[in-house]
Amino acid sequence: DTEVTQTPKHLVMGMTNKKSLKCEQHMGHRAMYWYKQKAKKPPELMFVYSYEKLSINESVPSRFSPECPNSSLLNLHLHALQPEDSALYLCASSQPSGLYQYFGPGTRLTVT
Amino acid sequence: AQSVTQPDIHITVSEGASLELRCNYSYGATPYLFWYVQSPGQGLQLLLKYFSGDTLVQGIKGFEAEFKRSQSSFNLRKPSVHWSDAAEYFCAVVQGGSEKLVFGKGTKLTVNP
Repeated sequence: DTEVTQTPKHLVMGMTNKKSLKCEQHMGHRAMYWYKQKAKKPPELMFVYSYEKLSINESVPSRFSPECPNSSLLNLHLHALQPEDSALYLCASSQPSGLYQYFGPGTRLTVT
Repeated sequence: AQSVTQPDIHITVSEGASLELRCNYSYGATPYLFWYVQSPGQGLQLLLKYFSGDTLVQGIKGFEAEFKRSQSSFNLRKPSVHWSDAAEYFCAVVQGGSEKLVFGKGTKLTVNP
């Protein structure tokens, strides 16, 4: 199974809402990633978890809060987002070397 | 810092024609290089990768890429393009031992019938 799943596929939220994005993989990978992708742009790294510990935070605003409850699951908690945070949020996983990153289909987030 | 340049923002080819997408990297050490493809509204799919060894690598969907250290390039090729190949293509690089994948800006491929 080489699949990374993400839920929900689409999310519309107001600026005062709290929501969460979920990512799951069952490939035994010990590194998981969150990327943000704006239209017509490449993905930008947000966070990296390695062995369930946060190893990279690319200076992401605190309104984005990642969580890695176990080696298969990665969440991104959202609170007080801005309209400019609307984007495709991609999750990926790999072995901790960073090679062979497998991407999920993404969650299309719209902030109103 | 490592960087990847994809000089072509948009390329249009006819179905059945050959394709070459360019990628140049900036790196001191031996890079690990990747090509990903993204269909509209979808996630990224790994087409192929280069770590070491044979400089011509084969990938999925009939794609291949050639690593040329002297030119700091890793160009993607396909001998005959199909309409389903229309997508965004990203070249990416990761430094050995790092977890950070750096993407080029992407090349959008349009395929005319």
